[in-house]
Amino acid sequence: DAGVIQSPRHEVTEMGQEVTLRCKPISGHDYLFWYRQTMMRGLELLIYFNNNVPIDDSGMPEDRFSAKMPNASFSTLKIQPSEPRDSAVYFCASSLVWPNEQFFGPGTRLTVL
Amino acid sequence: KQEVTQIPAALSVPEGENLVLNCSFTDSAIYNLQWFRQDPGKGLTSLLLIQSSQREQTSGRLNASLDKSSGRSTLYIAASQPGDSATYLCAVSWEAAGNKLTFGGGTRVLVKP
Repeated sequence: DAGVIQSPRHEVTEMGQEVTLRCKPISGHDYLFWYRQTMMRGLELLIYFNNNVPIDDSGMPEDRFSAKMPNASFSTLKIQPSEPRDSAVYFCASSLVWPNEQFFGPGTRLTVL
Repeated sequence: KQEVTQIPAALSVPEGENLVLNCSFTDSAIYNLQWFRQDPGKGLTSLLLIQSSQREQTSGRLNASLDKSSGRSTLYIAASQPGDSATYLCAVSWEAAGNKLTFGGGTRVLVKP
């Protein structure tokens, strides 16, 4: 299995631009999670899905952030418009059975200038 | 508020010495606790998962203990090697929090040859 796949691995954009991060979970996993990691706040859960349905988005920082999961093998996290304080590493993770072991992707390092 | 704390933030040991990493959490009503390893620029790798009903889990040179009553978990790594150098993160899921993972700040470990 290829594991959780994220793209792009690095993204540099200018303030005000739209950013879309992509994630492909491990095949057969019913749960998908989006996290953000910063030096100041550590690793935080943004949103998670079960069977493509958003279950808890209480961690989404503000309306500029949105996430979708149109099918079992694909999810996006969109930031529009982006701001410098959104600079962070964004991780996607998936799990077969929750709450149990989560498998993380390599992350997307986002830099907003 | 449910929080996870890891002290110290950084640790340096000579090769061959046993590593002891600490994790403390508020609220003993946890569902499970997980230890992860994170290498620089990489995602998280799950090391051990301890269910609420368990006292410890072992995998090779790794052993994790759980004491819910005192709100503590300890990760032991026997006979440390330079390849063990990484950041180790503890994460807790609480039933009252919808079983979402809350992460500690991590302990950055350096094993010197």
